[in-house]
Amino acid sequence: SQKIEQNSEALNIQEGKTATLTCNYTNYSPAYLQWYRQDPGRGPVFLLLIRENEKEKRKERLKVTFDTTLKQSLFHITASQPADSATYLCALDLGNAGNMLTFGGGTRLMVKP
Amino acid sequence: DTGVSQDPRHKITKRGQNVTFRCDPISEHNRLYWYRQTLGQGPEFLTYFQNEAQLEKSRLLSDRFSAERPKGSFSTLEIQRTEQGDSAMYLCASRATGASETQYFGPGTRLLVL
Repeated sequence: SQKIEQNSEALNIQEGKTATLTCNYTNYSPAYLQWYRQDPGRGPVFLLLIRENEKEKRKERLKVTFDTTLKQSLFHITASQPADSATYLCALDLGNAGNMLTFGGGTRLMVKP
Repeated sequence: DTGVSQDPRHKITKRGQNVTFRCDPISEHNRLYWYRQTLGQGPEFLTYFQNEAQLEKSRLLSDRFSAERPKGSFSTLEIQRTEQGDSAMYLCASRATGASETQYFGPGTRLLVL
């Protein structure tokens, strides 16, 4: 069966440390993988997109890696801040005609001062 | 603010009533998507439009649900004879046409069916 797995347990880290979130998938061949941030009661906000032929993408304090052999993406936030506390969702775009997104369940990140 | 707006932001209704939600996408985006999200889960795809044409519907979209995008701009999602299981956040997203474009989500409409 097809699955996208993100750690359902909250990740608690200290301010200033690097947060690493994992997205594993099975029986998918995504053309693109995207990471979104979602705050309680609000819609997801786009952060980064990485293509299947890219290994790594960076944006300011954010870094995403994509390993299509392991079927895994890692999302890193360096020098984390309490304002980074949110739920982070990974989403697969299979590159089909509609480019619909298939989401994981999200991981809640708590950054403590 | 992503530029995608949804109305209303919250809706409480009684079981059996009909509800309608509206989404206004980013103006130059010709693709519009509807998703549903329940507590603790990621969004799930419901349907999408390219301009005014509804091109795909998920199995989640029962016959009580109908969506329209009459002029290729705003869209409406109607749920008839609501059930308690319809309680969820309904999210709209828009996207430009292109290989690696991303989707921009609105703030969502939270529906509670009593």
